[in-house]
Amino acid sequence: ILNVEQSPQSLHVQEGDSTNFTCSFPSSNFYALHWYRWETAKSPEALFVMTLNGDEKKKGRISATLNTKEGYSYLYIKGSQPEDSATYLCASLNEKLTFGTGTRLTIIP
Amino acid sequence: EADIYQTPRYLVIGTGKKITLECSQTMGHDKMYWYQQDPGMELHLIHYSYGVNSTEKGDLSSESTVSRIRTEHFPLTLESARPSHTSQYLCASSELGGSQPQHFGDGTRLSIL
Repeated sequence: ILNVEQSPQSLHVQEGDSTNFTCSFPSSNFYALHWYRWETAKSPEALFVMTLNGDEKKKGRISATLNTKEGYSYLYIKGSQPEDSATYLCASLNEKLTFGTGTRLTIIP
Repeated sequence: EADIYQTPRYLVIGTGKKITLECSQTMGHDKMYWYQQDPGMELHLIHYSYGVNSTEKGDLSSESTVSRIRTEHFPLTLESARPSHTSQYLCASSELGGSQPQHFGDGTRLSIL
């Protein structure tokens, strides 16, 4: 992996369901992995910054895991709510901070 | 409540004009950044600063310039705007260190006619 890749590109989830998506990043010279939530017409908001292999972080119904050896991070949302609708960006700090194109999540009421 | 402010939010202007996009933060952060984003694409870093009198070019080549005369202020200037400069520009700040989260402004959506 040379770039930061996020999948899926977009996702529609029924309200109340749980969901997860992936961020893949270069594992060489890894320093930190950032997750941001970007709601329409607002600014990106930091969710988590993780540095250690095996790190798990949680903020309310949202949690994230990190595997630096294989170069991936998962973001989980439990019991999706309409206010979770946003684009979720990850960014990997290797020699430089590189952003993915994001996963656009839409929660269907 | 935003602690980092960008003005204007939207700007539509003709080719050849000089433009300055403003960015100010009240958090006392040393590091500041400018990103450019086209629809559906990733954020690309165009400029950053480690502190007063420090400016560095980012990954994406840009015809814009920046200055950092005060800690809280990091304006971006285009001397002569062209249609290819049409994009969204996001300013961010953080404390020093790669494990520090970035705080973003609301962005400026720039359209050059």
